[in-house]
Amino acid sequence: DAGVIQSPRHEVTEMGQEVTLRCKPISGHDYLFWYRQTMMRGLELLIYFNNNVPIDDSGMPEDRFSAKMPNASFSTLKIQPSEPRDSAVYFCASSNQTRAETQYFGPGTRLLVL
Amino acid sequence: AQKITQTQPGMFVQEKEAVTLDCTYDTSDQSYGLFWYKQPSSGEMIFLIYQGSYDEQNATEGRYSLNFQKARKSANLVISASQLGDSAMYFCAMREGKGTGGFKTIFGAGTRLFVKA
Repeated sequence: DAGVIQSPRHEVTEMGQEVTLRCKPISGHDYLFWYRQTMMRGLELLIYFNNNVPIDDSGMPEDRFSAKMPNASFSTLKIQPSEPRDSAVYFCASSNQTRAETQYFGPGTRLLVL
Repeated sequence: AQKITQTQPGMFVQEKEAVTLDCTYDTSDQSYGLFWYKQPSSGEMIFLIYQGSYDEQNATEGRYSLNFQKARKSANLVISASQLGDSAMYFCAMREGKGTGGFKTIFGAGTRLFVKA
């Protein structure tokens, strides 16, 4: 089975530009998580979905960040406008109800905002 | 508020020896889960082991075991027979309970493990 797929793997953009990160969870998983990892703040949960519905977005840093999950196999995390402090590795993870303790992480998207 | 503390920024261990990575947590929930993840230099996050707050026995997965001491709120990871490939960053994490609806997960700062040949 394919694991969690994220694209792009690397993104370099200029401040003020819109950035869209994409995630395809493992088929059959009904939970999807977006994390951000930085040296200063470590690994932070931004938002998570259950059955495509956002459950907790308290970790989303500000209104410039938005996340959607239009169907069970696709989610996006959008930053508009991007700022240099958004530079980080963004991970997507998924899990299912029956084995909810295990979150499977994607390879991450390394974002650099100049 | 929930909190995870990993007090060892870095650890060294000789190949083939056992090593314990410390993790303490703080929560007011009765139901929660504790995890350990490994992050090699390549960057991916690899799930290692899970312990539920109501599990009476310590979790084990191959060479990994979780030393769960509920009263002390500690969930240390023990790696037996260390291998060079175990060199990585290790994160302790906690999922808060809230019945069936809570999956908010917080991570510790991590411990970097170096395995010496």
